Amino acid sequence: KAGVTQTPRYLIKTRGQQVTLSCSPISGHRSVSWYQQTPGQGLQFLFEYFSETQRNKGNFPGRFSGRQFSNSRSEMNVSTLELGDSALYLCASSLAAGVGNEQFFGPGTRLTVL
Amino acid sequence: GEDVEQSLFLSVREGDSSVINCTYTDSSSTYLYWYKQEPGAGLQLLTYIFSNMDMKQDQRLTVLLNKKDKHLSLRIADTQTGDSAIYFCAEKTPSDSNSGYALNFGKGTSLLVTP
Repeated sequence: KAGVTQTPRYLIKTRGQQVTLSCSPISGHRSVSWYQQTPGQGLQFLFEYFSETQRNKGNFPGRFSGRQFSNSRSEMNVSTLELGDSALYLCASSLAAGVGNEQFFGPGTRLTVL
Repeated sequence: GEDVEQSLFLSVREGDSSVINCTYTDSSSTYLYWYKQEPGAGLQLLTYIFSNMDMKQDQRLTVLLNKKDKHLSLRIADTQTGDSAIYFCAEKTPSDSNSGYALNFGKGTSLLVTP
């Protein structure tokens, strides 16, 4: 089975722009979660989607948004980029959204905001 | 959420055992995880333990859980240079909303294995 794939792997944007990142979960997985990883804050939860519905949201401003499609693929969008948004964005998929479902991570998208 | 605590660095010699410690926050956490991250890569799930267990062994990995102290440890036997990476402890916690769970991660322990 192919793992979680994320595109693009690297991205450079300038302040004020917006960006869309994509995540394709493992085949058969219906839950997708997004995390932001920075040296200062570590790994922080952004949001979780299951069956095209956002089930859970972390403590991030409204500039961060996401969605999930009927094929379980997910996108996250960051509008009005700030320098502090530079980070590795990780996507994780699991079979379902319950507590007992293991999350498998993709390689991440490295976003640099100049 | 509150912080999951891990020591930042650990250095061991090849062939020795490594023990990485973690203190988690939520006594109601039902699943606790260890992930490994190599440079430039995403997170690899190493193992997990359910909260009604005290210990779990998986080949060279041993996880110990002390629920009273909310302390989790990962022991790697016969540590190899390929084990050099950052190791993250994570607890699965319910969200503030009425559905969904999120992983609450520690800051990671950088393990350096020297020949």
